[in-house]
Amino acid sequence: AAGVIQSPRHLIKEKRETATLKCYPIPRHDTVYWYQQGPGQDPQFLISFYEKMQSDKGSIPDRFSAQQFSDYHSELNMSSLELGDSALYFCASRGGLAGDSTDTQYFGPGTRLTVL
Amino acid sequence: GNSVTQMEGPVTLSEEAFLTINCTYTATGYPSLFWYVQYPGEGLQLLLKATKADDKGSNKGFEATYRKETTSFHLEKGSVQVSDSAVYFCALRWGPIQGAQKLVFGQGTRLTINP
Repeated sequence: AAGVIQSPRHLIKEKRETATLKCYPIPRHDTVYWYQQGPGQDPQFLISFYEKMQSDKGSIPDRFSAQQFSDYHSELNMSSLELGDSALYFCASRGGLAGDSTDTQYFGPGTRLTVL
Repeated sequence: GNSVTQMEGPVTLSEEAFLTINCTYTATGYPSLFWYVQYPGEGLQLLLKATKADDKGSNKGFEATYRKETTSFHLEKGSVQVSDSAVYFCALRWGPIQGAQKLVFGQGTRLTINP
């Protein structure tokens, strides 16, 4: 079965640089979530989109922005990177169009961002 | 606000031992409850879930029962294997608005099973 795809899987950036993380949800899933997991930490919710509109916002810095496109993929844009942004960034998707009426979020493998 | 508290880790057991990882939650309303597992270097995988009081979620020999009276969702397995070594996260999902149901995670419990 198709899963959530994230790219790139690993990313190394310098401080003050910009990064773009991409997420491709399970086909016909209409809701995307972004989470940040620091080393040894639990995942923290950043932002979510439903039907291409932002639906909820968590602890996302103002330096970060995100959007969901017409094909339902999502991108997380991170500017003025700081050392503390080094983390694993997960994308999750949830069904709707696919007839999956459950509230299960399916996670991608994550993008490991390292800021030097 | 909504929160999840898991038992402190790490937990180390011998193969075939009985496992319990405690999880309690604080929430307004009636959240859905989940256990996710994270193997080394991998993403989060849904292990099991329960959506209402007294529901029991089960998968791969793991079980957890949604206890509203004690606001708990403890994870149990009767006989663990080396391959169960991973980090386990308890989580709740709550939100009345379509698309706004984010997950709130506990701090995770690292489980190591020795042969």
